Amino acid sequence: DTAVSQTPKYLVTQMGNDKSIKCEQNLGHDTMYWYKQDSKKFLKIMFSYNNKELIINETVPNRFSPKSPDKAHLNLHINSLELGDSAVYFCASSQTQGNTEAFFGQGTRLTVV
Amino acid sequence: AQSVTQLDSHVSVSEGTPVLLRCNYSSSYSPSLFWYVQHPNKGLQLLLKYTSAATLVKGINGFEAEFKKSETSFHLTKPSAHMSDAAEYFCVVRSYTGRRALTFGSGTRLQVQP
Repeated sequence: DTAVSQTPKYLVTQMGNDKSIKCEQNLGHDTMYWYKQDSKKFLKIMFSYNNKELIINETVPNRFSPKSPDKAHLNLHINSLELGDSAVYFCASSQTQGNTEAFFGQGTRLTVV
Repeated sequence: AQSVTQLDSHVSVSEGTPVLLRCNYSSSYSPSLFWYVQHPNKGLQLLLKYTSAATLVKGINGFEAEFKKSETSFHLTKPSAHMSDAAEYFCVVRSYTGRRALTFGSGTRLQVQP
């Protein structure tokens, strides 16, 4: 059973398109995140949701919009894709209590052409 | 504010020799610290974590790290490198208060020579 699963694993799309990445966790965690990993492997937080409430919203373009229909799901929708959006996007989840580690999905490699 | 600095972007060792990956942290409060590993084209896997219990933390695959508050360091070590250890390693900090998201270091690529 995969703890944090994201789909798709690979996404190749043209500039200007709109795309979504889905994430689901079956760990019962109350917090979910989206991280972006650039070509130099640097990982940066984009968004964080706690119990479906947005608690961290870093400086990302408005074209990026997270949606959390319930505690177990956090999807990322991207409008008007640009070349610079090409990266690997990781979903993660954690439990707020106890300050434990985060569990990561396998990543979605987005390539905008 | 919290941050981590990984002092080496790239470390190369020979198989069977010790590994040392260095990490310094900055945090307003007692932090939780983690090391994650990322193999090529793979996701992130937790190696070990420090959460204010024992200062010497043992992780998977023979890795361990020591939390030194006086030096604000959390270096990762392994006595004997294996070819399969070649990967990207991330030192990560999480504060007990305020922003609770993980803050990543810039990563250290470990290369293991035969």
